Amino acid sequence: GQQVQQSPSSLVLQEGENAELQCNFSSTATQLQWFYQSPGGSLVSLLSNPSGTKHTGRLTSTTVTKERRSSLHISSSQTTDSGTYLCAIDRLDSNYQLIWGSGTKLIIKP
Amino acid sequence: EAGVTQSPRYAVLQEGQAVSFWCDPISGHDTLYWYQQPRDQGPQLLVYFRDEAVIDNSQLPSDRFSAVRPKGTNSTLKIQSAKQGDTATYLCASSFDRGEVFFGKGTRLTVV
Repeated sequence: GQQVQQSPSSLVLQEGENAELQCNFSSTATQLQWFYQSPGGSLVSLLSNPSGTKHTGRLTSTTVTKERRSSLHISSSQTTDSGTYLCAIDRLDSNYQLIWGSGTKLIIKP
Repeated sequence: EAGVTQSPRYAVLQEGQAVSFWCDPISGHDTLYWYQQPRDQGPQLLVYFRDEAVIDNSQLPSDRFSAVRPKGTNSTLKIQSAKQGDTATYLCASSFDRGEVFFGKGTRLTVV
């Protein structure tokens, strides 16, 4: 089965609402990153968070390693937050290779 | 600190032509990755290096694609005899010792 699963696959919100994105993975992760990609754009690293809680700006990521899940919370969403959010892990046995989820497409309406 | 630099940003080719993509990773990063991302799909790993050594090139279509990183710094990805199915964005990324991975802006390739 898929090693990294993200949910929801798409999310539509009004500007100002909070977004909650989930990432579940099937094996122990030594590294976990959240990336953002705008339509036609490159991948921007948002947070590196293999365990615990990290904040940057309006973003908060919480990773519970033993439950093999991570969340990304976006507070007070803005239309410029629209895009695809990808979760990727680096497993201990993956020899430096990132394993990717299929992404959450976020649309923020004005 | 400069990020990952890629060139060119865009390329348009006729089928059968060759093209090379260049990547300059973040200084000090030992691991360098090349990804292919077709439109509306996730990134797919082609090849990655640790220093100058190829760690995994199993996803590289070896008959037409090649990648080198001779001094463990810059890298070149080359496509010989491009096909329409190669149309995608080619992304280079780097990291240090299984740490955070950073991506360049990519090269958008169109093969007509």
